[in-house]
Amino acid sequence: TQLLEQSPQFLSIQEGENLTVYCNSSSVFSSLQWYRQEPGEGPVLLVTVVTGGEVKKLKRLTFQFGDARKDSSLHITAAQPGDTGLYLCAGGSSGGYQKVTFGIGTKLQVIP
Amino acid sequence: EPEVTQTPSHQVTQMGQEVILRCVPISNHLYFYWYRQILGQKVEFLVSFYNNEISEKSEIFDDQFSVERPDGSNFTLKIRSTKLEDSAMYFCASMLERRNTGELFFGEGSRLTVL
Repeated sequence: TQLLEQSPQFLSIQEGENLTVYCNSSSVFSSLQWYRQEPGEGPVLLVTVVTGGEVKKLKRLTFQFGDARKDSSLHITAAQPGDTGLYLCAGGSSGGYQKVTFGIGTKLQVIP
Repeated sequence: EPEVTQTPSHQVTQMGQEVILRCVPISNHLYFYWYRQILGQKVEFLVSFYNNEISEKSEIFDDQFSVERPDGSNFTLKIRSTKLEDSAMYFCASMLERRNTGELFFGEGSRLTVL
């Protein structure tokens, strides 16, 4: 089983601060996804990273895939209260996407 | 924008009863999944389904669980005899096979409460 570990599990910051959350594994993934989940709702896809070392930007969110494709990070610049939510990383099983495994997530709270 | 829809949004049932959760995946997607999330815990994989058969299932998906795509649009999860520990949010997801990048599109979930 390919496990994804996310850190920190909880993060509470003031509006305007920057933050980075991490997703790590001992396994190589062909791609990793980041999702955001709000209470009582399903996860919503934010981005997919595919190439080792790849950096993708989505407004104030910057996603990076590690060179060895075993880890990824999400950096948020100037966090807003609207960024509050659970950030999940996910990856497919070796050889395909029959089973997409999720990390436990980082619960982010941005205080106005 | 196409979306995955799930019904019911909330179901309360007595222990031992059968429950069927329904999902309508995005119409041109070919891979279908069920996940569950116990309150405050991680999103756990239950089963994936492709070409009218199960592709992979987790250890959670025992004989009490079954999935079906009866009519080419609906995708159902049946729990034959519910237990208290089946109480959770159940999410259906679908993926477009052609892109095969692992990108899942989730429904809003069905909250199951077993009393």
